[in-house]
Amino acid sequence: GENVEQHPSTLSVQEGDSAVIKCTYSDSASNYFPWYKQELGKRPQLIIDIRSNVGEKKDQRIAVTLNKTAKHFSLHITETQPEDSAVYFCAAQYSTLTFGKGTMLLVSP
Amino acid sequence: GAGVSQSPSNKVTEKGKDVELRCDPISGHTALYWYRQSLGQGLEFLIYFQGNSAPDKSGLPSDRFSAERTGGSVSTLTIQRTQQEDSAVYLCASSLEGTSGGSPYEQYFGPGTRLTVT
Repeated sequence: GENVEQHPSTLSVQEGDSAVIKCTYSDSASNYFPWYKQELGKRPQLIIDIRSNVGEKKDQRIAVTLNKTAKHFSLHITETQPEDSAVYFCAAQYSTLTFGKGTMLLVSP
Repeated sequence: GAGVSQSPSNKVTEKGKDVELRCDPISGHTALYWYRQSLGQGLEFLIYFQGNSAPDKSGLPSDRFSAERTGGSVSTLTIQRTQQEDSAVYLCASSLEGTSGGSPYEQYFGPGTRLTVT
């Protein structure tokens, strides 16, 4: 089955800095890679996703890149703000979603 | 429109008792998923329903876990003879379809049911 590794497990940055979270996957059949943000006590919310026919996607301060050959994808957040503080999960899917273990991002003012 | 809803929001039960958790997906969504999230952990896939197809039960951790989806809408996850290690947040998600042309649709999550087994 699919295996998704996510790094780092925790990430602390200063407000205004950039944050990068990296994930690798094992199943070359996976063709959909969403990123979810989960605030404490809340449900996961999709923030951006990328499909295997695209190498990069950007939405305002958030961007995701995908390298199918290397089977890794990354989330980039620029100009971080305290409200970006949350746990971020990457996932890979062909038929069912397999999630990484999550990255706790803390943005200090 | 209304999002995915789950009930109850919290459930405390004694070890050995059975529990039922309910999920109401977004209207019109044909795919429904159950996940489990333990404290500080990622989301663990449990089971997937797509339309009238046989469910994908590959993530269920033991035969004490089962799920049904009646009428292609509401789903119930049942845990029999609960154990303390079953304590977790159980999340349900739905999507428009499972896949289209081989490419999955976005999943929308419910608020979860926090299960505590004492």
